[in-house]
Amino acid sequence: EDQVTQSPEALRLQEGESSSLNCSYTVSGLRGLFWYRQDPGKGPEFLFTLYSAGEEKEKERLKATLTKKESFLHITAPKPEDSATYLCAAQTGANNLFFGTGTRLTVIP
Amino acid sequence: ETGVTQSPTHLIKTRGQQVTLRCSSQSGHNTVSWYQQALGQGPQFIFQYYREEENGRGNFPPRFSGLQFPNYSSELNVNALELDDSALYLCASSPNRGLGVDTQYFGPGTRLTVL
Repeated sequence: EDQVTQSPEALRLQEGESSSLNCSYTVSGLRGLFWYRQDPGKGPEFLFTLYSAGEEKEKERLKATLTKKESFLHITAPKPEDSATYLCAAQTGANNLFFGTGTRLTVIP
Repeated sequence: ETGVTQSPTHLIKTRGQQVTLRCSSQSGHNTVSWYQQALGQGPQFIFQYYREEENGRGNFPPRFSGLQFPNYSSELNVNALELDDSALYLCASSPNRGLGVDTQYFGPGTRLTVL
């Protein structure tokens, strides 16, 4: 059975305190691993797509990496505006996205 | 470039009623997917439409049905509403250029409350 697990469920950081979010996946035929950011009551906002193990992508203070079993979202020197829920999703041969439950990040000034 | 739009923003229905949610895809996108997101959970795939045909379905009962129109906009219909149908309903569009993996871009969602 396809499964995507995110940890931790919630994370509180001081402004400037770097950390990583984890996404472990067990799916058959991974075609892409996606990261989205979601603000309360809004739709997910696309951040990154990773296609193969060893791939890395960066955007401002965020960096996503992928191995054969997990993906990490590294946040460097976060700011309060980075507070949101971060979702990862695996796309398999069925063309749909299989989401984890997300990590709720709070960055304290 | 116009993003994905959804209507209405909020909706309140009673158990047993029927509801229709609407989605306009991003310009140039021919594929629309619908997701249900319960509070504190990740989105769950309902179904996908590509060029007006259903192109995959998740583990949802037949009372969840959909349509895609020639302009690639889409509707999600839910019959015989149940309390557990209360959720944020998300529409996502993608270009489906036939190159494999396409990024799905989400709309703001419709918050459905069933009383």
